[in-house]
Parts: sequence; C-alpha cells; structure tokens
Amino acid sequence: DSGVTQTPKHLITATGQRVTLRCSPRSGDLSVYWYQQSLDQGLQFLIQYYNGEERAKGNILERFSAQQFPDLHSELNLSSLELGDSALYFCASSVDLAATQETQYFGPGTRLLVL
Amino acid sequence: AQSVTQLDSQVPVFEEAPVELRCNYSSSVSVYLFWYVQYPNQGLQLLLKYLSGSTLVKGINGFEAEFNKSQTSFHLRKPSVHISDTAEYFCAVSDRASYGKLTFGQGTILTVHP
Repeated sequence: DSGVTQTPKHLITATGQRVTLRCSPRSGDLSVYWYQQSLDQGLQFLIQYYNGEERAKGNILERFSAQQFPDLHSELNLSSLELGDSALYFCASSVDLAATQETQYFGPGTRLLVL
Repeated sequence: AQSVTQLDSQVPVFEEAPVELRCNYSSSVSVYLFWYVQYPNQGLQLLLKYLSGSTLVKGINGFEAEFNKSQTSFHLRKPSVHISDTAEYFCAVSDRASYGKLTFGQGTILTVHP
C-alpha cells in the first residue's frame, strides 16, 4: 500500500459524459501528478500540482482539467468523453516541488471505460 | 525532449534464471532514471532509481541496474528470478527541468515460468 488513495476504482460511462476522478496523496506530500495509461499511448504524464498550484502540464487534452484543493486532495475532471479516453488513470504523490529526486508514490488507479 | 525505449515488449524466463530488461533513453540534459514495477491490477512501485554517483544501483527484491552514459542505457538485471517477479516493468526518465514529470517507456512484461 503506497498510501495514495484513488476513487472510484472502476468507472463505466457513456460517450459525451463527464466524470471526476479523485486522489488523496500520502500524508505530508505536497505534489500530485496525474498519469494516463492506455494500450496505444502507454503511460503518459498529464498534469502536476504542487500545494494547490499547477506546476507542469503534459499531454492533457483541453477536455480534461484538474485541481488540487486546500486539503491537498486532487480531482481530475474529464468531459465530453470519447471512446479513446478509456484508460487507467493514475495519481502519484511526492514530497516537494522539484520532486525530481523524490520518489513518486502511485495510487492503485481508476479504470475508466467509455461505452 | 526526452524519450525512453524499452527494447523488449515481452521477456519469458524460467524460474531461477537470470534476466535483463533493456532500457535506452534519449535526452539533451543530465537525467534521472527509474525502474518501476506494476503487478496485475495494481499501481506502480519504485524498484530503484539513479540520481548521480555510482553507476550501479541496487533496488528492492534483488534487482539492480547499471547506468551507462555513453550508451544512454539503464538496463535492469536480476541474477535469479522467482515466479513472484512476473509483472510489467517500466523504465522512466526525468530531469531537473521537469519538476518531477516522468517520461515512461512502453513497458516490458516479464513472465517467469516454473
């Protein structure tokens, strides 16, 4: 158990819908990262937040957005869902801003299926 | 831009045999290198990381990796594998400018047969 929790574990929805994925980082971790794992794209970095502020952006679609709340939990919002958004979405957390040398601890993921 | 290439998508091996999972990276700056393992239906767990210093890095579960700057490689090795090592292994790279963002390879599925 990494200490990072993600809810829900599974999510099935229809095209065009909107969903929210939730992540609670390890106690004391200020940075939260979101990654998408799909069969065709592999594991890709989406976005990073540090202490409530966006710090880095990767291959995140405009239909996707995220935020980190004062209690440091984070939510990833996916809207106008398409079949191709079906994937495993991971949240990871680490202690500090740079985090380059810090280990990222991954949650168990949320498996999204868009029908 | 960084990239990571894992040269084998699948590696089958018999129990107690040695194994090497190959990883090559591309980056214009100094990098940090990582190996993560993903067991079925679980998240990723860090096996080991190279930040600086000794090029031979030892990790958990008996794994080790060697950083080779001239060949831009970071291959993962284990002298004797167990059935429980069956999993998918990911090589990843980061650097100082990335704010911790990890760029992953496509993964190598290690299957250990009895």
